[in-house]
Amino acid sequence: AQSVTQPDIHITVSEGASLELRCNYSYGATPYLFWYVQSPGQGLQLLLKYFSGDTLVQGIKGFEAEFKRSQSSFNLRKPSVHWSDAAEYFCAVGALGSGTYKYIFGTGTRLKVLA
Amino acid sequence: DTAVSQTPKYLVTQMGNDKSIKCEQNLGHDTMYWYKQDSKKFLKIMFSYNNKELIINETVPNRFSPKSPDKAHLNLHINSLELGDSAVYFCASSHQGQYTGELFFGEGSRLTVL
Repeated sequence: AQSVTQPDIHITVSEGASLELRCNYSYGATPYLFWYVQSPGQGLQLLLKYFSGDTLVQGIKGFEAEFKRSQSSFNLRKPSVHWSDAAEYFCAVGALGSGTYKYIFGTGTRLKVLA
Repeated sequence: DTAVSQTPKYLVTQMGNDKSIKCEQNLGHDTMYWYKQDSKKFLKIMFSYNNKELIINETVPNRFSPKSPDKAHLNLHINSLELGDSAVYFCASSHQGQYTGELFFGEGSRLTVL
């Protein structure tokens, strides 16, 4: 069965520090991969996506992610975190099953940014 | 112009009542979804409709009944509300088929059952 694991429930970084959020997936074929961000009281906003091609993808707000097939990972990175990046981050996989795509989400990582 | 809009944004109601949440998307997508986000932020898919046809129906109590009058609308009706139904319900849409895209989410409807 398809699944997504985000091993870190909480991460705290200082403003200006670099950030890496981990995501591992389980899926038999090449998946569609996504990172979403959710600010308090808001819906989910897409940060970036991987469908095929270049394994390093750039997203909005200065985020990037790298797809590593050998490690079944799609980690999210940002070189310098801003206080406004504090939010919940979700990794998701789009997996084909029974003729339709299902989007499966990880449990999320809450990012706290220290001034 | 909001891409995926859902109403109401907040619902507070008593156990045993019936309530509905409406969702509309103006993106021209063919597939719509309902997700439930619990207090621990876990997002779980409930239903998915493609061109008004139910294609995903996860293990959800039959007190929950989705309805899609057309491919731009997906409503969720909940009968006999229970305390455990308290959550944020998100509507989302996507395009599936030759080019399958990402999910676009509404802002959520926070349901509180007292």
